[in-house]
Amino acid sequence: DIVMTQSPLSLPVTLGQPASISCRSSQSLVYSDGNTYFNWLQQRPGQSPRRLIYKVSKRDSGVPDRFSGSGSGTDFTLKISRVEAEDVGVYYCMQGTQWPYTFGQGTKLEIK
Amino acid sequence: QVQLVQSGTEVKKPGASVKVSCRASGYTFTSGYIHWVRQAPGQGLEWMGLINTGDTGTRYAQKLQGRVTVTRDTSTSTVYMELTSLTSEDTAVYYCATDHLEHWGQGTLVTVSS
Repeated sequence: DIVMTQSPLSLPVTLGQPASISCRSSQSLVYSDGNTYFNWLQQRPGQSPRRLIYKVSKRDSGVPDRFSGSGSGTDFTLKISRVEAEDVGVYYCMQGTQWPYTFGQGTKLEIK
Repeated sequence: QVQLVQSGTEVKKPGASVKVSCRASGYTFTSGYIHWVRQAPGQGLEWMGLINTGDTGTRYAQKLQGRVTVTRDTSTSTVYMELTSLTSEDTAVYYCATDHLEHWGQGTLVTVSS
């Protein structure tokens, strides 16, 4: 199975400041069709997870443009340009290139 | 819009089975995959398995192989996840999601307790 490793696991951020989360996979996530099936998910307290970013850098519908994803191969980053109160929650990276899908441990973002 | 509506909370005794449903709407039901993901209290996400709603092909996580079965009913656009031989370690919120985890259900809490 592909192992996904996130850092940091806890991320205190001041409102209006940027935030960044890293994720590394144990093997390349490039699929045979040339796509990289790497996603970022957000889980607000008490809610279902929500997909924010798919295929490394594509924002899902309704996701604010302060969220951006980047990376390639085995190293990926989620950036929030200016953190808002509604961004509090846990962020997970995940890969859908190979079954079983696997997730990072989660990064808990809180407001300082 | 795509919606996944799951069945309600379940409380089961150890050794019992549970069957959770996930009714899909807003898209062509037989055109993709439905995944099941679970989350134990205070823990992260664990992928359990999937079904191809077109040809009923399934894949399961190795650790659950033999205990989990995912099926679908095209007449009601519903996917079912059955988990047998429950233990306290199966206490979790169970989610269904569309392919590549684009859309999620609201979750179903399953509590296993004597």
